Amino acid sequence: NAGVMQNPRHLVRRRGQEARLRCSPMKGHSHVYWYRQLPEEGLKFMVYLQKENIIDESGMPKERFSAEFPKEGPSILRIQQVVRGDSAAYFCASSPIGNEQYFGPGTRLTVT
Amino acid sequence: SQQGEEDPQALSIQEGENATMNCSYKTSINNLQWYRQNSGRGLVHLILIRSNEREKHSGRLRVTLDTSKKSSSLLITASRAADTASYFCATIPPMGGSRLTFGEGTQLTVNP
Repeated sequence: NAGVMQNPRHLVRRRGQEARLRCSPMKGHSHVYWYRQLPEEGLKFMVYLQKENIIDESGMPKERFSAEFPKEGPSILRIQQVVRGDSAAYFCASSPIGNEQYFGPGTRLTVT
Repeated sequence: SQQGEEDPQALSIQEGENATMNCSYKTSINNLQWYRQNSGRGLVHLILIRSNEREKHSGRLRVTLDTSKKSSSLLITASRAADTASYFCATIPPMGGSRLTFGEGTQLTVNP
């Protein structure tokens, strides 16, 4: 059973461009979470999704950020018009149900 | 305010010694979890302790939970150089759900 997969692992974008981060949950997991980690800090919750539904997006910035988890395919975290402050590691986690979350390796976004 | 705060921020020990990291949190919890993160990598789930448990063991790991003091400790016995990593505690609120709230982490260095 492959673990949580994220791609790309590293992403470089210029200011104003769009960043798309993908997360494929573990097989059989229908719950996906996105977290952001700034350098030297802990992870901060962004959004919690189930298939085709956003359950909790209280950690998402109000503008430029969106997330989806379609019926088919990976979950996507989309950042429009990126700014330098968006540079961070973005982690996805999945769970079947309940509390234990399995994390992916993360996508490191650098905005130049 | 920070839900989970680890103490110390950094810890350096010799191989074979024990390492103790502490975590304090502010609000009630359903459970508390400890994760390890190697430099530049994703998070690895170590252990989960529920609010009605006081102590839990897993291999060389021992976790305690004191809900009256809103604190937890992670003890790694007979440390190895491979234990060098950042360690984070994360909490789930009493209503359950799945939003993990992370602390800022303890950077553990085990010197050979």
